[in-house]
Amino acid sequence: SQQGEEDPQALSIQEGENATMNCSYKTSINNLQWYRQNSGRGLVHLILIRSNEREKHSGRLRVTLDTSKKSSSLLITASRAADTASYFCVQTSGAGSYQLTFGKGTKLSVIP
Amino acid sequence: ETGVTQTPRHLVMGMTNKKSLKCEQHLGHNAMYWYKQSAKKPLELMFVYSLEERVENNSVPSRFSPECPNSSHLFLHLHTLQPEDSALYLCASSPRDRGRDTQYFGPGTRLTVL
Repeated sequence: SQQGEEDPQALSIQEGENATMNCSYKTSINNLQWYRQNSGRGLVHLILIRSNEREKHSGRLRVTLDTSKKSSSLLITASRAADTASYFCVQTSGAGSYQLTFGKGTKLSVIP
Repeated sequence: ETGVTQTPRHLVMGMTNKKSLKCEQHLGHNAMYWYKQSAKKPLELMFVYSLEERVENNSVPSRFSPECPNSSHLFLHLHTLQPEDSALYLCASSPRDRGRDTQYFGPGTRLTVL
């Protein structure tokens, strides 16, 4: 299975703290993405990092990629209650494929 | 609001019923997808349509029948489902070529099979 694995499975923090989620994957990638899912806004694409990139920022999000360790991390700074959601690390299966491979996700709870 | 809508949002059906899920995208994309999200399992890709042709079918039972009449609409026809088919069914769309890796998801249909 090419499925990535997020760690931890669940994370609970206070509002204002930073949240870090990790992802490990098994096969080589073209790129890696992070998606967020909550009951209010559904499943939403957050950020994409290509295999030749090591770090990428988008607002309060910072993603790192270490292809030698086949791992990625998502950092959310200054968390808000609205960040409460499940976060998924998603691999692309390769050139010519439409398939995205989702992990089981990290469930983040931000306590006001 | 992602530009992808799904109806109905909730559906309860018996095992002998026939129902259909509808997805519509307003993003000008030409690839559309059906996913199944069950409790405690990762999101599973079911079908992919590109330019209204089915390009991927991930070993989905024949009781699920997709239809893509045009690049903006996608249906999932359901018949003689089993209780284990109860799940959240998500539709997504993307460009067919460059940028296809980023998919835009609808809110989903929560299906319960009794």
